[in-house]
Amino acid sequence: KAGVTQTPRYLIKTRGQQVTLSCSPISGHRSVSWYQQTPGQGLQFLFEYFSETQRNKGNFPGRFSGRQFSNSRSEMNVSTLELGDSALYLCASSVTDYGYTFGSGTRLTVV
Amino acid sequence: GENVEQHPSTLSVQEGDSAVIKCTYSDSASNYFPWYKQELGKGPQLIIDIRSNVGEKKDQRIAVTLNKTAKHFSLHITETQPEDSAVYFCAASTLGAGNKLTFGGGTRVLVKP
Repeated sequence: KAGVTQTPRYLIKTRGQQVTLSCSPISGHRSVSWYQQTPGQGLQFLFEYFSETQRNKGNFPGRFSGRQFSNSRSEMNVSTLELGDSALYLCASSVTDYGYTFGSGTRLTVV
Repeated sequence: GENVEQHPSTLSVQEGDSAVIKCTYSDSASNYFPWYKQELGKGPQLIIDIRSNVGEKKDQRIAVTLNKTAKHFSLHITETQPEDSAVYFCAASTLGAGNKLTFGGGTRVLVKP
């Protein structure tokens, strides 16, 4: 079966711009979560959505937001980009709250 | 909040030898402990997980042990092969509270042929 699909794979943005990343979970998976991976901070939880509702949120500024659609697809948005937002953004999906499958991520570079 | 520490940060082993990675967690409410393997250019892949009602779980060459009292859990890879070379992450979360995995810092494993 198809895995978790994240688009785009690579993205270059300028400071101050905003960006939207997309995630299509495995069919039937209703929970989608987002993580930021950087060499310095490692893997950090951003937020999680289940049936279009945000269930959990990590310690990130309000510039980071997300949403989930009725078909479980999810998007995350980062506004007013900063150089420090350069990272690999990973999406993971699951039927419930364990056994998460990760996508390959979107590599965001802010210049 | 939860804090997960992982050791060592790098591990070099000879092919065929065993590799052990250890993690400690701080939140006694954590009851789900997955391990992920991440290869270059890919997302983390779940390789094994354990819940707090189980002390040990095995899957072929991979095993995980959990000591709830000491709040630590370990990954054991036996008969290592070159394809085991990757970065391994441990994580912890509380089932029923939604997905909020707290990850360890990662261990880069190199298996030398």
